[in-house]
Amino acid sequence: GENVEQHPSTLSVQEGDSAVIKCTYSDSASNYFPWYKQELGKGPQLIIDIRSNVGEKKDQRIAVTLNKTAKHFSLHITETQPEDSAVYFCAAMGAGNMLTFGGGTRLMVKP
Amino acid sequence: NAGVTQTPKFQVLKTGQSMTLQCAQDMNHEYMSWYRQDPGMGLRLIHYSVGAGITDQGEVPNGYNVSRSTTEDFPLRLLSAAPSQTSVYFCASSYHGTSGGDYNEQFFGPGTRLTVL
Repeated sequence: GENVEQHPSTLSVQEGDSAVIKCTYSDSASNYFPWYKQELGKGPQLIIDIRSNVGEKKDQRIAVTLNKTAKHFSLHITETQPEDSAVYFCAAMGAGNMLTFGGGTRLMVKP
Repeated sequence: NAGVTQTPKFQVLKTGQSMTLQCAQDMNHEYMSWYRQDPGMGLRLIHYSVGAGITDQGEVPNGYNVSRSTTEDFPLRLLSAAPSQTSVYFCASSYHGTSGGDYNEQFFGPGTRLTVL
């Protein structure tokens, strides 16, 4: 089955700096890669996603890049703000609409 | 729309007890799933359903049962609770499009925090 690894597990940045979270996946058949943000005490919420026929996607301060050959994808957050502090999860979707999640990254943005 | 709702929010069980975690969605989604979240391990799929009357196992199904008698509801049953089942449980739903289609966003409920003593 699919295996998704996510790094780093914790990330601390100064407000205004950029943050990058990286994920690798194992199943070359996976073709949908969402990123979720989870705030304390809440369920994960989709923030951006990318499909296998696209190399990069941007939505205001967040962007995701995908390298299918190397089987890795990354989340980029620019001009970080304190409200960006949360746990971020990457995921890969393969057969049967099943999502496999990475272990999560706790992002802390210091004011 | 209420989205995905889960009850209860918190539950404490003793080893060997049984209980049902409730999940409901009002978005007419075909696909529903249950995950457990443990520290440092992300979310792991327990069971999922692609429509009423159809269920299948995910990555960690042992100790759990599910059924899907209606589109809206997808309860998760713990038959005989064990301390290893202490976790936060999330229910999610989505349209069941083809992989890579436009309807794959999964909407998550607020979670149930379960402690088994």
